[in-house]
Amino acid sequence: DIQMTQSPSSLSASVGDRVTITCRASQSISTYLNWYQQKPGKAPNLLIYAASSLQSGVPSRFSGSGSGTDFTLTISSLQPEDFATYYCQQSFSMLETFGQGTNVEIK
Amino acid sequence: QVSLKESGPVLVKTTETLTLTCTVSGFSLSNTRMGVSWIRQPPGKALEWLAHIFSNDEKFYSTSLKNRLTISKDTSKSQVVLTMTNMDPVDTATYYCARKGYHINWYEDYWGQGTLVTVSS
Repeated sequence: DIQMTQSPSSLSASVGDRVTITCRASQSISTYLNWYQQKPGKAPNLLIYAASSLQSGVPSRFSGSGSGTDFTLTISSLQPEDFATYYCQQSFSMLETFGQGTNVEIK
Repeated sequence: QVSLKESGPVLVKTTETLTLTCTVSGFSLSNTRMGVSWIRQPPGKALEWLAHIFSNDEKFYSTSLKNRLTISKDTSKSQVVLTMTNMDPVDTATYYCARKGYHINWYEDYWGQGTLVTVSS
């Protein structure tokens, strides 16, 4: 199975900060990479698909980039509602896998 | 609009079989380029994909759990059913079903609220 590794596991940031989360695949997955946001007690919400395509309704401060094995999710200016856990997911293989998550906390 | 809702027992005993049902609305299980996934999340831990099923009835299972899982669908009832055998306390988790959509690649674009299943000995 393809392993997905996110870094960091957690980070502290302030409102207005630029935040970058990375995700590395154990093998090349082209751009078959999605990003989700999850708030406590809620289901995940799709933010980015195909590495860089913004899901409908998602604010433009979220962006994704990368291909092959290395990917990033960037929040250009962190807002109070963005404090959450973020997961990457590969869909290159039909046996999809998630990263371990990155918890974005308030500094 | 699209919605999914999980139903099933909140408590199961060790070695029992868990049966969860996902009832969908706003789309058909026969739509091409569409499917339904089951994903779980133990308390405080990461998401773990379990299985998915597509409109053509093609099925895929997690490598580590494939011997314990069965996924099926009843298109007329708009339901997808997941069974997991030989439950253990480590299977305690919130179980989500999600719609699998496709545009450029596959992703889960709509999720149910999740159902917490506790396994006790």
